[in-house]
Amino acid sequence: GQNIDQPTEMTATEGAIVQINCTYQTSGFNGLFWYQQHAGEAPTFLSYNVLDGLEEKGRFSSFLSRSKGYSYLLLKELQMKDSASYLCAVRDSSGTYKYIFGTGTRLKVLA
Amino acid sequence: DSGVTQTPKHLITATGQRVTLRCSPRSGDLSVYWYQQSLDQGLQFLIHYYNGEERAKGNILERFSAQQFPDLHSELNLSSLELGDSALYFCASSVDGQGPTIYFGEGSWLTVV
Repeated sequence: GQNIDQPTEMTATEGAIVQINCTYQTSGFNGLFWYQQHAGEAPTFLSYNVLDGLEEKGRFSSFLSRSKGYSYLLLKELQMKDSASYLCAVRDSSGTYKYIFGTGTRLKVLA
Repeated sequence: DSGVTQTPKHLITATGQRVTLRCSPRSGDLSVYWYQQSLDQGLQFLIHYYNGEERAKGNILERFSAQQFPDLHSELNLSSLELGDSALYFCASSVDGQGPTIYFGEGSWLTVV
């Protein structure tokens, strides 16, 4: 089976750092992806990990541990515009290359 | 703008009816994915096509069907609509499914009344 877990909601203050965790159990693994989605809008790609370790992209970083089935997205220097849902997704390795999404973490950034 | 185009953007229809949602992938992309997102729910994978052939099926109801045409655009057909089918339907595309990401269209809002 496939299961992806993320916290439902998080709150943080402008300028702070927040870490959004994601744990997964999937029958196959070919990469972990993070997307940002504002309400009613399309998800937009943030980062991608296929090997263990940290990937840094400006204010956003993502970490992966395949042995633990664990990833996190780190957002630094939070801005009000970062208030959105953050979706963790795993890509299947069975050759179908389908992406399975978690239910997302709704982040509220407070002034 | 991701380059993925979906039409219509909004659609209101009655229960029991049938609708077709259309997706044009980014230029050069061979893979098309369809997802359903109900209010406050995650993205539910429906189906994946690659170069005209079905590659993977998710939680797609029998009342729903899809296809990808030779010009690579795709259509999602929803029939015998129920109130619970009201959702945002996203199409996404990628070059071949193995690239670093998939790109989402703006979605089609379907309201069944």
